[in-house]
Amino acid sequence: DQQVKQNSPSLSVQEGRISILNCDYTNSMFDYFLWYKKYPAEGPTFLISISSIKDKNEDGRFTVFLNKSAKHLSLHIVPSQPGDSAVYFCAAYSSNTGKLIFGQGTTLQVKP
Amino acid sequence: DSGVTQTPKHLITATGQRVTLRCSPRSGDLSVYWYQQSLDQGLQFLIQYYNGEERAKGNILERFSAQQFPDLHSELNLSSLELGDSALYFCASSGPGGSSGYTDTQYFGPGTRLTVL
Repeated sequence: DQQVKQNSPSLSVQEGRISILNCDYTNSMFDYFLWYKKYPAEGPTFLISISSIKDKNEDGRFTVFLNKSAKHLSLHIVPSQPGDSAVYFCAAYSSNTGKLIFGQGTTLQVKP
Repeated sequence: DSGVTQTPKHLITATGQRVTLRCSPRSGDLSVYWYQQSLDQGLQFLIQYYNGEERAKGNILERFSAQQFPDLHSELNLSSLELGDSALYFCASSGPGGSSGYTDTQYFGPGTRLTVL
């Protein structure tokens, strides 16, 4: 039972353009949603988070949007840079279970 | 550098063996989490400890066990290893907010790559 899904395994974007990474979830009890970035041979690095009571959070080039009615969140990166090329994981946290559930990840490639 | 350390970086062993993976959390963090990432899967939550006590359990096999020591470092023990246990094992830690069961950000270590031959 995949509670957090990232349906696009990969995404390729030109440098300077917008990257949009998508994530869907099934459990309406999640309290927090997070995005992590992972480079090869390294652990995931926290990028940005959003509370379930908000619909947008922005941090520099990164913005996360949450649509609770659609159980969907997205990460926007503007402008995209080659250094953003990595695997991006969406994650959802439930205080009921104390668990952080990760999606499968989306590999972003930003071309110069 | 997240401040979370994991040893060893790589581990190669044979089926049926037992190994121990070690994790030191960030200074001041009370919660430690273990995750498994297999080749074709995302990060799978295994188990969480908070200040020495088990807090949450995920898809952890009975052959696997973990503990958190008084100095807050944690060990993940994997026994009767099978080929399918080959994976990256990540440890993460988060701050004292775990006392209420809530955590915002988990900081991950670099992982231990386990290869079972």
